[in-house]
Amino acid sequence: QQQVRQSPQSLTVWEGETAILNCSYENSAFDYFPWYQQFPGEGPALLIAIRSVSDKKEDGGFTIFFNKREKNLSLHIKDSQPGDSATYFCAASENTGNYKYVFGAGTRLKVIA
Amino acid sequence: GPKVLQIPSHQIIDMGQMVTLNCDPVSNHLYFYWYKQILGQQMEFLVNFYNGKVMEKSKLFKDQFSVERPDGSYFTLKIQPTALEDSAVYFCASSSQGDSDYTFGSGTRLLVI
Repeated sequence: QQQVRQSPQSLTVWEGETAILNCSYENSAFDYFPWYQQFPGEGPALLIAIRSVSDKKEDGGFTIFFNKREKNLSLHIKDSQPGDSATYFCAASENTGNYKYVFGAGTRLKVIA
Repeated sequence: GPKVLQIPSHQIIDMGQMVTLNCDPVSNHLYFYWYKQILGQQMEFLVNFYNGKVMEKSKLFKDQFSVERPDGSYFTLKIQPTALEDSAVYFCASSSQGDSDYTFGSGTRLLVI
């Protein structure tokens, strides 16, 4: 049973477009949602994160939109560049003081120049 | 920024042998984690570790697995004996607090043959 689902599995956009990556979850107790960016051969690196008390978080060209009622969120990458080509993982955790993340399977983004 | 180092980056081992995966966490971090990623799938939580003890382990953390961090040296994941299904990428992560963001290593690609 996958607790965190991501769509699409892969996405190709043109340079300058906004890429939209989707994530949904099942566990109502999840309250923290980081997005990780992973380049081939490297470990995941934290990109941006949101808590469930917020419905939007912006950092540079990256924006998370969060819908608690629908249990979904999306990562928008504005003005996508070829250097943004990577796999993006949505993760979720509960506020138990013993953090472990549940990861989605990732969206592989390709930005074409 | 600060990095988590994982040694080795690749390991090929015969089924039934023992393997030790090493992780050098960020120097002032106190919480340590192992995640397992099978090719094309999401990262899955194995275990977290604090103050010399396992805090929580998942069903994937079989009896053949063990972790330790003797006296501030490497945080290790030992598998003894290995099985074919242990082939995966193993990511180590560390964090300063239990509820703060992770820093991931680049992973150890383990192939059991």
